[in-house]
Amino acid sequence: KAGVTQTPRYLIKTRGQQVTLSCSPISGHRSVSWYQQTPGQGLQFLFEYFSETQRNKGNFPGRFSGRQFSNSRSEMNVSTLELGDSALYLCASSLGVAVGEAFFGQGTRLTVV
Amino acid sequence: AQKVTQAQTEISVVEKEDVTLDCVYETRDTTYYLFWYKQPPSGELVFLIRRNSFDEQNEISGRYSWNFQKSTSSFNFTITASQVVDSAVYFCALRPISSGSARQLTFGSGTQLTVLP
Repeated sequence: KAGVTQTPRYLIKTRGQQVTLSCSPISGHRSVSWYQQTPGQGLQFLFEYFSETQRNKGNFPGRFSGRQFSNSRSEMNVSTLELGDSALYLCASSLGVAVGEAFFGQGTRLTVV
Repeated sequence: AQKVTQAQTEISVVEKEDVTLDCVYETRDTTYYLFWYKQPPSGELVFLIRRNSFDEQNEISGRYSWNFQKSTSSFNFTITASQVVDSAVYFCALRPISSGSARQLTFGSGTQLTVLP
C-alpha cells in the first residue's frame, strides 16, 4: 500500500512569487491535512480537507489556501511568498476527520530567497 | 485550546541504555487521541502509537512502551535498549475527538534523541 506522496520534495522560490504543493493521500483516505514546520514555531496546522471541503483552518493569513479534488488529492497554494514562508510543509492523510491516526508524507521543503 | 508540552529539548544516551521521553498535555475535551511520532532526518513524521483518552491501558511493543496517565495528563514513551537508529526527533501530539472541537493535531515542540554508539 503506497504511502502519502508529496511533490515536489524541494523548491526554491523568490519573494513575491507563488507556489503550489501537491499531496496524494493513502488510497482510501479521504481526509488531508497540511502542516507547516519551522525551527522557531514547530509544527503548526494549516488546514484540513475532507470530501473536497475545507473542514478546519489554522491561524495563517489568506495567502495560504488549499483545495481537494474528487480523488482526495490535495494542493496547497501560497501566494506572494515571504522569506518567513521558508519551511517544511507536511501533508497528512487519514480515513476521516479525527478518525484514526494521521500518516504523513516526506514533506516539501520550501526555501524563499 | 489544546497544549502539548515536551520539556526535554534534547536527550543523549549511550546505546543499550533505556530512555523515557516525557509528554504532558492540556485539553478541555473529554475525549481525545494521543499520539507519538518519530521524525528522522529525512523529514517524514512516522506514526508510532495512538491511544484513546478512555483507554488507559499501557502497552509494550517490542522495545517501545507507553505510559498513559489521565490523572496527571501525561503520556510518556520509553525505548528499552536504545539503538543508534532510534536517533530522531520525537513528537507527542493530541487531537480531540468530539465534533464540537477543532480536531487538528496539536504537537509538542519535540525531543531530539541522540543515541551514541
